[in-house]
Amino acid sequence: EAQVTQNPRYLITVTGKKLTVTCSQNMNHEYMSWYRQDPGLGLRQIYYSMNVEVTDKGDVPEGYKVSRKEKRNFPLILESPSPNQTSLYFCASSLRKAGTITDTQYFGPGTRLTVL
Amino acid sequence: DAKTTQPPSMDCAEGRAANLPCNHSTISGNEYVYWYRQIHSQGPQYIIHGLKNNETNEMASLIITEDRKSSTLILSHATLRDTAVYYCIVRPRSGNTPLVFGKGTRLSVIA
Repeated sequence: EAQVTQNPRYLITVTGKKLTVTCSQNMNHEYMSWYRQDPGLGLRQIYYSMNVEVTDKGDVPEGYKVSRKEKRNFPLILESPSPNQTSLYFCASSLRKAGTITDTQYFGPGTRLTVL
Repeated sequence: DAKTTQPPSMDCAEGRAANLPCNHSTISGNEYVYWYRQIHSQGPQYIIHGLKNNETNEMASLIITEDRKSSTLILSHATLRDTAVYYCIVRPRSGNTPLVFGKGTRLSVIA
């Protein structure tokens, strides 16, 4: 089944304790992206990656890192989490053809992160 | 800057058609209209997209006005499982512009 998976689905942690949220897709998509969703603010893009070893900042990249060493994986790293990073996080992927991102982005199920 | 305007919420009776409007008066010639929906805290789900012609798929129909300044997503026979937030997004097909989600319309389908 074509899907985007995220782990963990729920995480409660404390300020300053490094964490990684994994994202994996099995559709051989070039494009992957991370969003966060907060009440009243909608979905905001954190980072995206057009292909392996190519990443770029989205609208709210501060406090986050990403890497794209393999096509299928795009982990989100919080080196020193803070309470304002408490949020619902979504990973997404999309096929990229001839310099464009195709129409359909597939989203993962979400990771609910709480930083105390 | 918001490129689309949607009503914050709408109700629809189960079994009836749900018509969700979207204004995109500043849309440019190479920009498509996309619709996604998000069912309570799940990942957003692609519904449909179009440029200027009306489109239909198994999920919904998309009607775009001739001047392309507005569109309507139609769920022909809404069910309780269609209760969700619906996002109208304008994005050029070419290039690498990511999706920008606004606040959407919260559709409540009522039994």
